[in-house]
Amino acid sequence: DAGVIQSPRHEVTEMGQEVTLRCKPISGHNSLFWYRQTMMRGLELLIYFNNNVPIDDSGMPEDRFSAKMPNASFSTLKIQPSEPRDSAVYFCASISGPRTDTQYFGPGTRLTVL
Amino acid sequence: QQQVKQSPQSLIVQKGGISIINCAYENTAFDYFPWYQQFPGKGPALLIAIRPDVSEKKEGRFTISFNKSAKQFSLHIMDSQPGDSATYFCAAIEEYNFNKFYFGSGTKLNVKP
Repeated sequence: DAGVIQSPRHEVTEMGQEVTLRCKPISGHNSLFWYRQTMMRGLELLIYFNNNVPIDDSGMPEDRFSAKMPNASFSTLKIQPSEPRDSAVYFCASISGPRTDTQYFGPGTRLTVL
Repeated sequence: QQQVKQSPQSLIVQKGGISIINCAYENTAFDYFPWYQQFPGKGPALLIAIRPDVSEKKEGRFTISFNKSAKQFSLHIMDSQPGDSATYFCAAIEEYNFNKFYFGSGTKLNVKP
């Protein structure tokens, strides 16, 4: 199994540009989570999906952030417009279902907004 | 409001020593408590986990101690090695709530040779 796949691994962009981060969960997993990690705030849950439906997006910092999961094998996190304070490592994680105990994390996307 | 409080923020231990990281929670609905290990440049990976009906779980040099009445749990790393140097996160899960994970703030462990 290839594990959770994220792309790109690194992204450098300028303030005001649109950024799209991509995630492919482990096949058969039906819950997907997006996290943001910074030194100051640690690991923050942004949004999570169950069976492609957003369940809780209360962690999304503001309207500039949006996430979609059009099918079971693909999710995107979009930031438009991006700002320097969005610079962080963004992780995607997936889990196989109810009463399953392990979240599998992807390698992360390191985003730098200049 | 942080659902899971973790301490210390950083920890320095000599090789062969015991590393202890503590976590506390308030929500009695949590029913699963994993610990994750993260190396620089990598995503967190599950290390060991415990359910509240058990007071202790040991896997190799790693032990979780769980105190349900105090709503606290801790990770003990025996015979700490330089290779254990990483950031450790505790977490708590509401399995009824689509497995929503609540993570602690992390502890950066440095094991000196």
